[in-house]
Amino acid sequence: RKEVEQDPGPFNVPEGATVAFNCTYSNSASQSFFWYRQDCRKEPKLLMSVYSSGNEDGRFTAQLNRASQYISLLIRDSKLSDSATYLCVVNKGGGYSTLTFGKGTMLLVSP
Amino acid sequence: NAGVTQTPKFRILKIGQSMTLQCTQDMNHNYMYWYRQDPGMGLKLIYYSVGAGITDKGEVPNGYNVSRSTTEDFPLRLELAAPSQTSVYFCASSRQANTEAFFGQGTRLTVV
Repeated sequence: RKEVEQDPGPFNVPEGATVAFNCTYSNSASQSFFWYRQDCRKEPKLLMSVYSSGNEDGRFTAQLNRASQYISLLIRDSKLSDSATYLCVVNKGGGYSTLTFGKGTMLLVSP
Repeated sequence: NAGVTQTPKFRILKIGQSMTLQCTQDMNHNYMYWYRQDPGMGLKLIYYSVGAGITDKGEVPNGYNVSRSTTEDFPLRLELAAPSQTSVYFCASSRQANTEAFFGQGTRLTVV
């Protein structure tokens, strides 16, 4: 099982649609979870952290399921500007651990 | 608020040449990282540092070297450039290992 696995997509949705991405991780000791957004040929930027209780930021909702080792990102009322690649990021946990990035899920929002 | 600054933004190298990619951060972060991203691929960790004077290999360290003499700076050295090192290089920093990382704008390197 890959450390962090995502469906590469692309997910093609019309404006106003709701879309959800899932991400699975292999290390049960993982402690921190994030969603990043990466626009074409740009650096990744933090979209939101993912907390055990779930969290919401405007149109974006992130959830964590530790038992099944997956995290999700829900985007409501999609905008054209949401078109990007969404990266699932997991901290492996323990010692000098580092962040592990999934390969990303591409979202294309059309008019 | 500068955050993480990388230079240069673009560079073309000939096979066998060497160069240093510069990275500096002004957030007083302990952790710094170098990643490479090939087209259509995810980020791969080259080297990281948990503080001044401490560095460690990531997933793909071969062909690269790093140093961390200060908290702010984390340069990446390519000694003998090879076409396989053509990639986009991102430097990042984080306060701790389990906190979010902030990225520089990247360096697009082509080795010909």
